[in-house]
Amino acid sequence: KQEVTQIPAALSVPEGENLVLNCSFTDSAIYNLQWFRQDPGKGLTSLLLIQSSQREQTSGRLNASLDKSSGRSTLYIAASQPGDSATYLCAAGSGNTPLVFGKGTRLSVIA
Amino acid sequence: DAGVIQSPRHEVTEMGQEVTLRCKPISGHNSLFWYRQTMMRGLELLIYFNNNVPIDDSGMPEDRFSAKMPNASFSTLKIQPSEPRDSAVYFCASRWGTENTEAFFGQGTRLTVV
Repeated sequence: KQEVTQIPAALSVPEGENLVLNCSFTDSAIYNLQWFRQDPGKGLTSLLLIQSSQREQTSGRLNASLDKSSGRSTLYIAASQPGDSATYLCAAGSGNTPLVFGKGTRLSVIA
Repeated sequence: DAGVIQSPRHEVTEMGQEVTLRCKPISGHNSLFWYRQTMMRGLELLIYFNNNVPIDDSGMPEDRFSAKMPNASFSTLKIQPSEPRDSAVYFCASRWGTENTEAFFGQGTRLTVV
């Protein structure tokens, strides 16, 4: 059974810093890894989807990497801004099965 | 497309009452998922459908929970009777195809059972 872990549970950084959020999964036979952002009281917004054949995906200041063999993915945020404050969730997808989610990392970017 | 639409956004009900949550997936998507989110357990899958057919309902906590998808554009999650421990945010998500495609989530229904 796939299990997804995100460490740390919470992170606070000053504005302008580059930061890395971590995601690990137990079953490396995944088809894709998806990163989401969740603002308080809101739904999940998809940020990046990495296919199993890919090593990374980029969107603006965000870069997500995937290492299936080690069961890890990272989300890199460059030049962080207060507007980046939110909870970031990763989810592992394995073929014709639903995404399995980590519990998220709550990010606070301090101005 | 307006995205995945859930209603109501907030629901407060008394213990023992029936609650029905509704979801309209993105047009053309053929997989639909119901998740529940709590502080303690995070996001948990309750049930999912492919082409309107329930595939796995092993996440449904008890017989008090039921879900239907009568057509490709509508699904319901019903709790009868509701209990305080059912209080959570319930999310619906949809995607096209069965693998390697992006999943999109609705804004969720915040359920409070008093």
